[in-house]
Parts: sequence; structure tokens; C-alpha cells
Amino acid sequence: LAKTTQPISMDSYEGQEVNITCSHNNIATNDYITWYQQFPSQGPRFIIQGYKTKVTNEVASLFIPADRKSSTLSLPRVSLSDTAVYYCLVGVNNQGGKLIFGQGTELSVKP
Amino acid sequence: NAGVTQTPKFQVLKTGQSMTLQCAQDMNHNSMYWYRQDPGMGLRLIYYSASEGTTDKGEVPNGYNVSRLNKREFSLRLESAAPSQTSVYFCASNGGAYYGYTFGSGTRLTVV
Repeated sequence: LAKTTQPISMDSYEGQEVNITCSHNNIATNDYITWYQQFPSQGPRFIIQGYKTKVTNEVASLFIPADRKSSTLSLPRVSLSDTAVYYCLVGVNNQGGKLIFGQGTELSVKP
Repeated sequence: NAGVTQTPKFQVLKTGQSMTLQCAQDMNHNSMYWYRQDPGMGLRLIYYSASEGTTDKGEVPNGYNVSRLNKREFSLRLESAAPSQTSVYFCASNGGAYYGYTFGSGTRLTVV
């Protein structure tokens, strides 16, 4: 399973765009890149998933370069409610796949 | 509401006691998982079940057993609780490539 490296913490202010980068040098051909968000005292919540190039949904965008050795989660115009831990995971995300969580990035959004 | 339901939400055990954490999902997912999360840490996989009738060890299986009772239910058992098992336990099910994992709200377990 590919190991991921991401910053332990980040600070931002309301209204700013936040970019969290994750390194996954050993990503395999079949692996997808998936990001989860976790609020205190809650289970993680699926945010976005991609394989290559760019994926966008109503919550975030995910940028993946051609070599797929890293990825960047982009949160546009963050608010205080975006304060959470964000996890980058790499693996085969089909049913039966086994995803291993790393340390995550603790994002703190300030007024 | 569709999702993953965990019971109980809170539990205090004495060292050596046993208990079973229950998890049920109503999304017809094949795969189910148990994770633990210690304070300030990420989630660690204890056991998982890729499909009904199968179970496999994750990163930290020692001290735990699991049962995939049917497609909906996946239970986690602590036979002889230890203080090191004090943690928040999350159950999850996997909806496949486009939906990711759906997590329950967690069971906060304290072993004294």
C-alpha cells in the first residue's frame, strides 16, 4: 500500500483558498487518490476522489499531476466550519479494498 | 436515514471484561471495516470484511475478534479488555469507487 505524506497542520483565514498537498511516491497503477474530512467526535467523511488530472465537485477540487506522485486538495473560500482534519489516502477503492489512514492535516480556519 | 449505525456510543469497562461492539449498515455494501482512533492520531485498521463470510486482519488486530454476521452486520469483540484498548472505535462500509467509505459516529470506549 502506498504511503502518503502530508503536512501535520495548516492555518488559514475565512474566505481564503486552501491547498493541501499530499506526496505518494509509491503510488501503484491501479491506485486512486481519495480525500476524507473529519470533524471532532465524528467519523471521517468522503470528500473527493480522483485518478489523474483534475476532479471537481461541490466541495473541493483535486489536482493530480501526470506522474501521480502527489496530489493537491483545494478548498475554495474556506469558512470556520471547514476546520477539520483532512486525510489523503491512496489505494484501490473498490469494494473489498483496504484503505490505510495516515496522520492527516489539521486545518484551522480563523476569523 | 441510510448509513452506518454503531452501538453503544459510550462504554466503560474494567480491565479483563469482555464486550462486543455492534455495527450495521443499510446500504447493501459488501465491505465493512473496524478502525480505532487514539487521541491526536489517525485511524488504524483493526479488521475488515471484504464480503459476507470473509474477514481479514488489518494493522492492529491483536486483542480483537470480529464476526460478519450477515451482509448488514459486522461486530467487534474484545475478549479481555486492557487499558491500551481505550480509544474511539469507528465502523465503516465501502460503497465502491465513486462513493468511498461511509463511517459510523463511533463508540468511545474507556478501559479502567
